[in-house]
Amino acid sequence: GNSVTQMEGPVTLSEEAFLTINCTYTATGYPSLFWYVQYPGEGLQLLLKATKADDKGSNKGFEATYRKETTSFHLEKGSVQVSDSAVYFCALSDVGGSQGNLIFGKGTKLSVKP
Amino acid sequence: GAVVSQHPSRVICKSGTSVKIECRSLDFQATTMFWYRQFPKQSLMLMATSNEGSKATYEQGVEKDKFLINHASLTLSTLTVTSAHPEDSSFYICSASGTLAGTSEQYFGPGTRLTVT
Repeated sequence: GNSVTQMEGPVTLSEEAFLTINCTYTATGYPSLFWYVQYPGEGLQLLLKATKADDKGSNKGFEATYRKETTSFHLEKGSVQVSDSAVYFCALSDVGGSQGNLIFGKGTKLSVKP
Repeated sequence: GAVVSQHPSRVICKSGTSVKIECRSLDFQATTMFWYRQFPKQSLMLMATSNEGSKATYEQGVEKDKFLINHASLTLSTLTVTSAHPEDSSFYICSASGTLAGTSEQYFGPGTRLTVT
C-alpha cells in the first residue's frame, strides 16, 4: 500500500542554518505530495504541495521538489529561524490533486536555537 | 485562512465511560470532515471520513460502534468514544474541507488529548 517515510527527529539547528528534512514515498499511480507544519499548540497547516513530477512547491522560504525517479519530496530551507521550530509532516494523497485521503509520515520535530 | 476548532482540548475520563469530541469549522462550510488518531511518535492515522448528512466511512480496523461519528451540519462533526478503555488514550485530530476558493484543502483542528484512566 501507499506509505510515507520521513527522517526521524528531533532535528536541532542554530539560527540561519540550512535545513533538509528527507521524505520518501511509496505509491501506485501519481500521488500529490504535501508538507504540513504543526506549531506548538496549533493544528496542522499546509506548508506547500506539488501535484506532479518535477513540480516545486514553495512557501515561507521552504521548498520541496517532487522527484518521481527517487520517489522523494525532501523539504529544504536555506536559513532557518527560531520561529520555524515546529513539527513537520510529509504526506501524500492518492486522489488526484485533492486531499480526499492523506497518508502521513511520522513527523519530524525541528528545534531552532538562537 | 480557514479555522477549525476542537473541543475539548484535553479530557480525562474513567474506563467504561463515553466521551464526545466536537470539531467545528468556524468560517466555512465543511462538506467533508476527517477524524485522525495520532499515537506518540507515530503518524496521523485516518479513522473515518464523514460527509454532511451521510453516514461516516470508516477505515479498515476502526470499530464504528466504538467510535461514533456524527456530521449533522456543515459546521459541526462529533466523535464519541464509547465505553472508553485505556488503550483508547490518544491524540485525536479532525480536519475539514469544503469549497473555499475552489480548493479541497483540508484544514486541521488543534487536536484533543484523551486520557482514559
